[in-house]
Amino acid sequence: GAVVSQHPSWVICKSGTSVKIECRSLDFQATTMFWYRQFPKQSLMLMATSNEGSKATYEQGVEKDKFLINHASLTLSTLTVTSAHPEDSSFYICSARDLAGVGPNEQFFGPGTRLTVL
Amino acid sequence: KQEVTQIPAALSVPEGENLVLNCSFTDSAIYNLQWFRQDPGKGLTSLLLIQSSQREQTSGRLNASLDKSSGRSTLYIAASQPGDSATYLCAVKSLGSSNTGKLIFGQGTTLQVKP
Repeated sequence: GAVVSQHPSWVICKSGTSVKIECRSLDFQATTMFWYRQFPKQSLMLMATSNEGSKATYEQGVEKDKFLINHASLTLSTLTVTSAHPEDSSFYICSARDLAGVGPNEQFFGPGTRLTVL
Repeated sequence: KQEVTQIPAALSVPEGENLVLNCSFTDSAIYNLQWFRQDPGKGLTSLLLIQSSQREQTSGRLNASLDKSSGRSTLYIAASQPGDSATYLCAVKSLGSSNTGKLIFGQGTTLQVKP
C-alpha cells in the first residue's frame, strides 16, 4: 500500500528557533499534501493544503509566515515552524493524496512528528 | 460549515463485547466518510471508507454504516479485543471539497478493551 513518511518523528527545540518537518510519499506521487496539528486528546485540525509547485492554502487562523510550507516535488512537502514558541508544541501529521486519486483510500497519512518547544 | 461530532468521547468495555461508536455531521452534502484508527503517539490508519452513495462497508469485525439524510455514521466492532484499544476518528469530505480532498475530523472516541 501507499506509504507516507515523516522526519523527524520527534524533535525538541529551544524557544525562538526554527524547525523543519519533512513529509514524503515513498511509493506514489502526491500532487497534494495536507498538514494537520493535533493537541493532546483533541482531533486533527487542518492547517494548510500544499500543492506541488504552487503556494499553499492556509486555513483560517493559521499564520502563513509562522508555518512555512514548501511542496517542491511530487514526493516531498516540508513544514517549517519559524521562531517556535512553547504554544507551538504539538503533534504534526501530514497526509498525501495519490496523484490518481482513485480507489478507496486516496489520502494516506504519515506517522506524525512530535514537536516540543522548551 | 461542516462540523463532525463523535460520541462518546471515551469508552471502556470488557473483552468480547460488541460495541458501537457514533459519528454525526451537520451538512449532509458529503462526498464520503472515513473511519480511522489512531494509536497513542502515532499517525492514522484508515479502517473503512463509505462513499455518499453507499449505506455500509465491512472489513473483518468492523462494520460502518452511513445515513446521509440524518447526518450519522456508526462504526460497529464485533467481539472486541484488547488490541482494538485505540482512538477512533471519523472524518468527512464534503461535496465542495471533493477536488481538494479536505477532510473534517471529529474529536475521536478513545476505546479501551479490558482483558
